[in-house]
Amino acid sequence: DIQMTQSPSTLSASLGDRVTMTCRASQGVSNSLAWYQQKPGRAPKLLIYKASGLETWVPPRFSGSGSGTEFSLTITSLQPDDFATYYCQQYYDGVTFGQGTKVEIK
Amino acid sequence: QVQMQESGPGLVKPSETLSLTCTVSSGSINSFYWNWIRLSPGRGLEWIGYISYSGATKYNPSLKGRVTFSVDTSKNQFSLTLKSVTAADTAVYYCARAGIVEWDLRFDSWGQGTLVSLSS
Repeated sequence: DIQMTQSPSTLSASLGDRVTMTCRASQGVSNSLAWYQQKPGRAPKLLIYKASGLETWVPPRFSGSGSGTEFSLTITSLQPDDFATYYCQQYYDGVTFGQGTKVEIK
Repeated sequence: QVQMQESGPGLVKPSETLSLTCTVSSGSINSFYWNWIRLSPGRGLEWIGYISYSGATKYNPSLKGRVTFSVDTSKNQFSLTLKSVTAADTAVYYCARAGIVEWDLRFDSWGQGTLVSLSS
């Protein structure tokens, strides 16, 4: 199984901050990597696919990068709606998710 | 925009069988790969597997043969059966849609989720 490791587990930040979170795969997954945003009591929502492709609803302050085993999700100017938990997911070989990064208000 | 809704009992007895159904509306179940995913405090997000509209399946090996999927295209529904449940199966269960080819397992639509707990 491919293991996905996200860091940090919790990220404390202020409105307007630039934040970056990372996701590492235990083996190469090419660019078969997605990111999801989840808010309490809601289903996850697909943010980014193929490591850097934005879903149509996603504002341009979000960006994804990486390939192989190292990936990152960046929010350039944190907005109130962005406080949530973010998960990465590989779909190169089956499906596995990271354990999540919770973005909280500092 | 496709809508998805899980249904089924919220309480299951240990060692018994969990059954859930996902109804797809505002879109056809034909094409795409239809998935089950669960979220629990201990395991995080765990992919259970998929079924295609034609009935092709792939299961997470971690479920060790306890899981079965079925699809009913006439009702635009697909279903999950999980046998011999234990406390470790307590989770919020989501149905989700993936791409139209089996390697494109990004999930662009999700149901709202249904909590399944074990009752003694």
